[in-house]
Amino acid sequence: DAGVIQSPRHEVTEMGQEVTLRCKPISGHNSLFWYRQTMMRGLELLIYFNNNVPIDDSGMPEDRFSAKMPNASFSTLKIQPSEPRDSAVYFCASSSGHSPLHFGNGTRLTVT
Amino acid sequence: DAKTTQPTSMDCAEGRAANLPCNHSTISGNEYVYWYRQIHSQGPQYIIHGLKNNETNEMASLIITEDRKSSTLILPHATLRDTAVYYCIVRVGSNTGKLIFGQGTTLQVKP
Repeated sequence: DAGVIQSPRHEVTEMGQEVTLRCKPISGHNSLFWYRQTMMRGLELLIYFNNNVPIDDSGMPEDRFSAKMPNASFSTLKIQPSEPRDSAVYFCASSSGHSPLHFGNGTRLTVT
Repeated sequence: DAKTTQPTSMDCAEGRAANLPCNHSTISGNEYVYWYRQIHSQGPQYIIHGLKNNETNEMASLIITEDRKSSTLILPHATLRDTAVYYCIVRVGSNTGKLIFGQGTTLQVKP
């Protein structure tokens, strides 16, 4: 299995631009999670889905952030408009039932 | 939600056992203890988890006290590649999969 696949690995954009991060979970996993990691705040859970349905989005910082999971094999996290304070590493993870989460290698976002 | 307390940092000599403690005094009966680690610039990696019994796998052993208020992750023969941040996490709720990460313990394995 290729594991959780995230793209792009690195993204550099200017303030005000739209950013879309992508995630392909492990095949057969029915839960998907988006995390953000910064030096100041550590690893924060933004949102998670079960069976493609958003369950808890209480960690989404504000309306500029949105996440979708149109099918079991794909999810996006969109930031519009982006701001410098959104600079972070964004991780996607997936799991099945109560199994451990498997993380991707993250997308490093830099907003200038 | 049960919270965990871990030392900020620890050192270990290469080849020796690394014992990483974690306190979770407010854990409830149906909550598991999970351990993950994060090597610089990579995604967190699952190590082991348990409910009340001690667990062992190819990576580590997990010792949970009888009252479940604390646990210890043991890396039996630490190598330089085990240098990482180690997170002890109590899984929130019985029907959700989400994990809430704390600050973890930075383990430095030294030659």
